[in-house]
Amino acid sequence: RKEVEQDPGPFNVPEGATVAFNCTYSNSASQSFFWYRQDCRKEPKLLMSVYSSGNEDGRFTAQLNRASQYISLLIRDSKLSDSATYLCAVNMLGNYQLIWGAGTKLIIKP
Amino acid sequence: DAGVTQSPTHLIKTRGQHVTLRCSPISGHKSVSWYQQVLGQGPQFIFQYYEKEERGRGNFPDRFSARQFPNYSSELNVNALLLGDSALYLCASSPTTDEQYFGPGTRLTVT
Repeated sequence: RKEVEQDPGPFNVPEGATVAFNCTYSNSASQSFFWYRQDCRKEPKLLMSVYSSGNEDGRFTAQLNRASQYISLLIRDSKLSDSATYLCAVNMLGNYQLIWGAGTKLIIKP
Repeated sequence: DAGVTQSPTHLIKTRGQHVTLRCSPISGHKSVSWYQQVLGQGPQFIFQYYEKEERGRGNFPDRFSARQFPNYSSELNVNALLLGDSALYLCASSPTTDEQYFGPGTRLTVT
């Protein structure tokens, strides 16, 4: 089993719809969680950090479920510009490396 | 403010050669991490440096080495290049060991 797993997609979603995807992690000691966005052939860009009870930033909401060991990302009122690959990353306290999922590809259609 | 910078942006090498990749972190950030990303996968951790000390090393062979300089910039060196080393090499800087901010990467092609 991979340490961090994501559904690769692609998720094909009409513009204006709400879309959500999850990321599961295997290490229950994991402490920090992040969502990154990566456009084709570009670097990952930090979208949101996810701590304890989760957080919201505009149309984006991230949640953490420790009991089931997953984080989620919800995008409301999706825009064409939201089309990208969304990567989750997990950092275990005392371990200095981020462990990454392979990403979920999102395609927003007009 | 300038973000993370990396050089070169693209590089083509042949098998057996050596390569040096460079990274300058965001001003004020003391931690630099290196990742390798191949197409269709998430980044794989190679090294992390903090205050010029190696703080973490991923599962990469000894052909990979790195260092951090007093100005917090960093170099990643790869010796005896293999075809499988072809990838996007990403540098990330961080004010702590948590949130990391990436440079544009160096795309290495080994032929």
